[in-house]
Amino acid sequence: AQRVTQPEKLLSVFKGAPVELKCNYSYSGSPELFWYVQYSRQRLQLLLRHISRESIKGFTADLNKGETSFHLKKPFAQEEDSAMYYCALLVGSQGNLIFGKGTKLSVKP
Amino acid sequence: DSGVTQTPKHLITATGQRVTLRCSPRSGDLSVYWYQQSLDQGLQFLIQYYNGEERAKGNILERFSAQQFPDLHSELNLSSLELGDSALYFCASSATFNSYEQYFGPGTRLTVT
Repeated sequence: AQRVTQPEKLLSVFKGAPVELKCNYSYSGSPELFWYVQYSRQRLQLLLRHISRESIKGFTADLNKGETSFHLKKPFAQEEDSAMYYCALLVGSQGNLIFGKGTKLSVKP
Repeated sequence: DSGVTQTPKHLITATGQRVTLRCSPRSGDLSVYWYQQSLDQGLQFLIQYYNGEERAKGNILERFSAQQFPDLHSELNLSSLELGDSALYFCASSATFNSYEQYFGPGTRLTVT
């Protein structure tokens, strides 16, 4: 079965602390994974995708097929990083995204 | 605004009623997706249309239906509404039918009383 799991509903850290938002997936094919973010009163938007291996706003995510994980990391959190973060799996044959339930990141000053 | 638009923003209706949610995709996008976001289930994929044809179906109830019109706007019809249908309904669009980069609308908040 195709599934995306984000074990933490809420993650609270202080500004400048490292952040890791966890994501695990279950998928029989070759996974394509993404992180979407929703800032307060804004639309859900793509943050980054595993294929590009890029750093966006200081965030990186590495696909670990052995552990079926795609954790989102940032070495030094900023207050403006506070948002809801969703891990998503693209079901390639159909083209739709399966989302995790999201993790609310709160960065305190 | 050339982004995804959804109307109405809020909708309050009674159980048993029928409502229609509307979505206009980004200019040039051919694919439209509908998602339901509830507190307990999170963001769930309902249905996808591509250039007027149904492309993929997710956890969409039989009481729900959708269509995409020749001008590419889409409507999601919810009938025989139940309290549990109260949720945020998002529409997203993308250029192709299997694009990872989907552009989301602001959502329609449906409250069934």
